[in-house]
Amino acid sequence: QKEVEQNSGPLSVPEGAIASLNCTYSDRVSQSFFWYRQYSGKSPELIMSIYSNGDKEDGRFTAQLNKASQYVSLLIRDSQPSDSATYLCAVSITGGGNKLTFGTGTQLKVEL
Amino acid sequence: GAVVSQHPSRVICKSGTSVKIECRSLDFQATTMFWYRQFPKQSLMLMATSNEGSKATYEQGVEKDKFLINHASLTLSTLTVTSAHPEDSSFYICSARDPGAANGPQHFGDGTRLSIL
Repeated sequence: QKEVEQNSGPLSVPEGAIASLNCTYSDRVSQSFFWYRQYSGKSPELIMSIYSNGDKEDGRFTAQLNKASQYVSLLIRDSQPSDSATYLCAVSITGGGNKLTFGTGTQLKVEL
Repeated sequence: GAVVSQHPSRVICKSGTSVKIECRSLDFQATTMFWYRQFPKQSLMLMATSNEGSKATYEQGVEKDKFLINHASLTLSTLTVTSAHPEDSSFYICSARDPGAANGPQHFGDGTRLSIL
């Protein structure tokens, strides 16, 4: 079983719709959770961090964490073509040397 | 926010050449930096953790004698790909975490695209 799992996609949504990206993780001691966006040929850039159960909103982005279900998601409201990218879920363990474990990423395509 | 600078952005060289990549934290001191490699259409794979003033910690399967890491100061880590061959062609990315942000995210450099002919 992979440590961090994501559906590779592509996930296609129309412009203006809500895009929902999901991630599950296997290690129950995981403490910190991150969503990164990676455009083709570029390095990842941080979108959201979340550390406790519940929702965290930042502009059009909402991260949701459920530690009991070992599940973290990212919602993108009012999706724009510029949101088209690969979204990487990353998980770290407190005391684990601050190492991040990445999922394989979900490719999002926002269509006009 | 925390800024990580990586140089060069692209390298094209002949097989057998050694290539050095620099990673700098610009507005914070990083006792730990991370080096990743990403092949096309794959996710980031951690190669090693660079520790300031001590030896790097390599992930399983990564040859420490081929990928030399030096972290001589709190703002600079270097990765040297020694005697590079075509199979070493990849996208190399460094990252660092601002130690002032407890459990905070890693911030990535812009990456180095290495092409070995």
